[in-house]
Amino acid sequence: GDSVTQMEGPVTLSEEAFLTINCTYTATGYPSLFWYVQYPGEGLQLLLKATKADDKGSNKGFEATYRKETTSFHLEKGSVQVSDSAVYFCALHPGGGYQKVTFGTGTKLQVIP
Amino acid sequence: SQTIHQWPATLVQPVGSPLSLECTVEGTSNPNLYWYRQAAGRGLQLLFYSVGIGQISSEVPQNLSASRPQDRQFILSSKKLLLSDSGFYLCASTRGTDTQYFGPGTRLTVL
Repeated sequence: GDSVTQMEGPVTLSEEAFLTINCTYTATGYPSLFWYVQYPGEGLQLLLKATKADDKGSNKGFEATYRKETTSFHLEKGSVQVSDSAVYFCALHPGGGYQKVTFGTGTKLQVIP
Repeated sequence: SQTIHQWPATLVQPVGSPLSLECTVEGTSNPNLYWYRQAAGRGLQLLFYSVGIGQISSEVPQNLSASRPQDRQFILSSKKLLLSDSGFYLCASTRGTDTQYFGPGTRLTVL
C-alpha cells in the first residue's frame, strides 16, 4: 500500500537558518503530494501541494519539488523564523477518485531566536 | 473555501463514560468527511471516513463509532471511554479536490 516516510524530529534551528525536511513516498500511479503544517494546539492546514512530477509547490517562503525519479518531496525554506515553529506533515493522495490521504508521522520544528 | 467547526475544544472524561464529539462543515455540500486521532507526539491515525449521509467506513477496530446524520455533520461517539482513547481528535473535509480542510480539533483526556 501507499506510504509516506519523513525525517524524525524534532529539528531545532536558529532563526534565519536553512531548513530541509525530507519526505519520501511509495505509491502506485500518479499521486498528489502535500505538506501540511500544524501550529501548537491547532488543526492542520495546507502549506503547499504538487500534483505531478517536477511541479514545485510554494507558499510563505517554503518550497517542495515533486521528484518522481527519487520518489521524494522535500520541504525547504531559505531562512526560517520563530513563527515557523510547528509540526510539518508530508502527505500523499493517490488520485483516481480514491478517498483517503496517507500522512507521514510529522516532523516537529523548533526555531530559536 | 470550507470551514470546519468542532466542539467541544477540550474535554476531560472519566474512564467508562460516554463520548460525543461533533463536527460541522460550512461552505460546501456533500463533502467527504474524516475523523483522525493524533496521540501525543505522534502522527495522524484515520479512524473513520464518510462519503455521504449514513455511509461510514471504519479504518481501525476500536472502542469508537461514527455517524453522519446530516450532510455536513459528522459525530464521533463512544459508549464507554478507555484510557487509550485520550488524544487530539481532528475532523477533516474534502469536496471536489484532494486537499483536506481540518477543524481546530478536540483535546480529549480520559482519566
